[in-house]
Amino acid sequence: AQKITQTQPGMFVQEKEAVTLDCTYDTSDPSYGLFWYKQPSSGEMIFLIYQGSYDQQNATEGRYSLNFQKARKSANLVISASQLGDSAMYFCAMREGDGGFKTIFGAGTRLFVKA
Amino acid sequence: KAGVTQTPRYLIKTRGQQVTLSCSPISGHRSVSWYQQTPGQGLQFLFEYFSETQRNKGNFPGRFSGRQFSNSRSEMNVSTLELGDSALYLCASSLLGTSGPYNEQFFGPGTRLTVL
Repeated sequence: AQKITQTQPGMFVQEKEAVTLDCTYDTSDPSYGLFWYKQPSSGEMIFLIYQGSYDQQNATEGRYSLNFQKARKSANLVISASQLGDSAMYFCAMREGDGGFKTIFGAGTRLFVKA
Repeated sequence: KAGVTQTPRYLIKTRGQQVTLSCSPISGHRSVSWYQQTPGQGLQFLFEYFSETQRNKGNFPGRFSGRQFSNSRSEMNVSTLELGDSALYLCASSLLGTSGPYNEQFFGPGTRLTVL
């Protein structure tokens, strides 16, 4: 069964330091997409980065990078140079399907950035 | 380009009532998905529509239904509301080209439903 696991309910990081948020997934489908979203306290879901299952290179978007290890089924998010505005809930998600797509989300990691 | 819009933003209903939530996707996006977010269950997939057809459905009772119109706008309906239906309901749209699951979803601000 498809599953996304985020084992860190909460994380603290010092401003300007890097932080890694863990995500492991399980699927039998060879074609899938992995995503990270940020949800601030206001509630909106903000797309950060995505990695396709066939992509050879790790995805990067500004200060965000995705450490994709396919054999280990992990897709960790790395945030470099943390900012106070990075304090939020972060969700790892997997989208797959054939003819009809569904996205499943992990439980999320709440990140606290300390000044 | 305007983002995904959801109406209403907040809703208060009582048990037994029914509710209809609306979602307008980004222009040109043909796939609309709905999610329920609660503190206890997290984010759970409800259903996905593409070109007016429901293509996938999550594990929710039949009280939860939806539809998509020819302009890609979507509505979801919850009948016979229960206290446990109190949640943030999020709608997301995606372009869904030939790359299939590789299209990111863009979320609306959500509708916060409170059932009393």
